[in-house]
Amino acid sequence: DQQVKQNSPSLSVQEGRISILNCDYTNSMFDYFLWYKKYPAEGPTFLISISSIKDKNEDGRFTVFLNKSAKHLSLHIVPSQPGDSAVYFCAASADTGNQFYFGTGTSLTVIP
Amino acid sequence: DAGVTQSPTHLIKTRGQHVTLRCSPISGHKSVSWYQQVLGQGPQFIFQYYEKEERGRGNFPDRFSARQFPNYSSELNVNALLLGDSALYLCASSFPAYNEQFFGPGTRLTVL
Repeated sequence: DQQVKQNSPSLSVQEGRISILNCDYTNSMFDYFLWYKKYPAEGPTFLISISSIKDKNEDGRFTVFLNKSAKHLSLHIVPSQPGDSAVYFCAASADTGNQFYFGTGTSLTVIP
Repeated sequence: DAGVTQSPTHLIKTRGQHVTLRCSPISGHKSVSWYQQVLGQGPQFIFQYYEKEERGRGNFPDRFSARQFPNYSSELNVNALLLGDSALYLCASSFPAYNEQFFGPGTRLTVL
C-alpha cells in the first residue's frame, strides 16, 4: 500500500521557468515531510523539509507547500536550472515512528 | 566533513547466499536507517537503529537483520538471498533520530 504517491513520473521544464513537483499522501498521521534530490549513482540528497504546523517553507530557490486538508504537498523550484535535473522524492513520517515513507519519484529535466 | 559511507559499492551474489552490507554514519549522528530501493521505486524502509537499539522495522522478512555498533556504524545482513533482493541498499544517518536523514551512496546488490 503506497502511502506516499508521486503521480507524475517525469516533468520537463525550460530553464528559468518554475518547476512544480507534486506529492500526495494518505496517512493523516504524517506530520513531517521532506524532499530529496537524487542523481544517478548517488544517494538521495536532502533538499527541504516542512512540519505539519506550517504550510510553507522556503530555502533559496526551493519552496515547499503543505495542504493538510488535501493531504498534498508540492515543491516549487524557481528559477529552474539545468543542474536541477534529477529524480525528486518526497518522504513523510508520523510522530510515533521514525520510519520515512517515500514516493516513487519524479524525474525532472530542465531544458537549457 | 565525511558524509555517510557505505561498503561495498557493488556486490554480486547467487541465490541462497548471505550478504553483509556496512554503513558508517556522519560523525556525531547516532541514528542509522536502512532502505531498499528497487529500480523505478522509491526507497523502502527496512530498519532504524538509534543508540544501538532497534527503533523501527519495515515490512521485510526475517531474512533481513541489522545491528549497530558502539561507534554507531551499522551492518545489514540478508540471509538466503532471493533474486528479488537485487536492489540498491541505502543507509541514512541522522541526529537526533527524528530529523532529516542524510544518505550514503548505496550498495548495489545483484543476486543471480
